[in-house]
Amino acid sequence: QKEVEQNSGPLSVPEGAIASLNCTYSDRGSQSFFWYRQYSGKSPELIMFIYSNGDKEDGRFTAQLNKASQYVSLLIRDSQPSDSATYLCAVGYQKVTFGIGTKLQVIP
Amino acid sequence: DVKVTQSSRYLVKRTGEKVFLECVQDMDHENMFWYRQDPGLGLRLIYFSYDVKMKEKGDIPEGYSVSREKKERFSLILESASTNQTSMYLCASSSSPSTYGYTFGSGTRLTVV
Repeated sequence: QKEVEQNSGPLSVPEGAIASLNCTYSDRGSQSFFWYRQYSGKSPELIMFIYSNGDKEDGRFTAQLNKASQYVSLLIRDSQPSDSATYLCAVGYQKVTFGIGTKLQVIP
Repeated sequence: DVKVTQSSRYLVKRTGEKVFLECVQDMDHENMFWYRQDPGLGLRLIYFSYDVKMKEKGDIPEGYSVSREKKERFSLILESASTNQTSMYLCASSSSPSTYGYTFGSGTRLTVV
């Protein structure tokens, strides 16, 4: 069974701080890695994907991938209250496996 | 704007009823998926399809079936609804392979009484 592990949180950060969300995965052959954001009562929306080792930046978001350590992370710079949501890590190629999600709370 | 549309946002059904959840995508995606999401359990895959008339079981297929007669439409069927099938049901689609991730529908919150 392929597994994707996340700390369910909540992770609380003050407004303007950097939020760091982490994820580990069990399938060493995994090729594609995704971060989804899910607001309460809404469906997940894709915010980042990464395939290669290293960092990928998009605005305030940076995804980091380390395949040797089987570790993927999401950094949110200058966190805003509107970033408060559950962040789902997903790993896979054709069919992805989702982590349970980390709830982020940004405190004004 | 590309979309995955689920036919109902909220649904209440009685135990033993046959329930149909419909999902339509307009992105010409090959892959379609049905998940349920429950607090503390995350997203669990029920069934998926890589092509028309094709289906594969996910992690929790018991009590469910699916139909994909057309590329854009993927239906989830609860053969005889039970209270433990009360959940949020999410449909998703993607290109093949799922290189750019999934697009999710808005979800159907099903309550079985």
